Amino acid sequence: QKEVEQNSGPLSVPEGAIASLNCTYSDRGSQSFFWYRQYSGKSPELIMFIYSNGDKEDGRFTAQLNKASQYVSLLIRDSQPSDSATYLCAVLRWEYGNKLVFGAGTILRVKS
Amino acid sequence: DAGITQSPRHKVTETGTPVTLRCHQTENHRYMYWYRQDPGHGLRLIHYSYGVKDTDKGEVSDGYSVSRSKTEDFLLTLESATSSQTSVYFCAISETSGANNEQFFGPGTRLTVL
Repeated sequence: QKEVEQNSGPLSVPEGAIASLNCTYSDRGSQSFFWYRQYSGKSPELIMFIYSNGDKEDGRFTAQLNKASQYVSLLIRDSQPSDSATYLCAVLRWEYGNKLVFGAGTILRVKS
Repeated sequence: DAGITQSPRHKVTETGTPVTLRCHQTENHRYMYWYRQDPGHGLRLIHYSYGVKDTDKGEVSDGYSVSRSKTEDFLLTLESATSSQTSVYFCAISETSGANNEQFFGPGTRLTVL
């Protein structure tokens, strides 16, 4: 079992819809959770992070964390074609020197 | 890219040759990281640094070494390049190592080993 798992996709949503991206992790000792966006041929860009159970909102993005079920989600409201990218989930594990462990990413396609 | 540059941006080399990639930051961040990204594997940590001359191994460190003689520079060396090291290499920096360990990435180096 991979430490951080994401559905590779592609996830296709129509413009204006809500895109829901999911990530599960195996280690209950994981402390913080990060979402990155990566356009093809570019470097990852940090969207947001969360470390408390519940929701955290930043503009059109909402991160949701459920530590009991070991999953973290990213919702993108009013999806735009410019949101088409690969979304990477990353988990911070303190006992590993605060290193991030990344999932392989989910490809999102927003169709106009 | 948060004041991070990588050089070279593209490199083609032959098996068995040494290769050095450079990461340079202007943010004065303490922590620096080298990752490689391969299809189906996501980003994997090679080595990281928590200060000048302070480095440690990551998940996939075999065949790689690093050095950090100045805050702003973090070098990754492939001692004898192999075809399995063909990848895209990203450098990242962060200011802290706690729960809010926000890492910012450089533009990447695409390395091809023939």
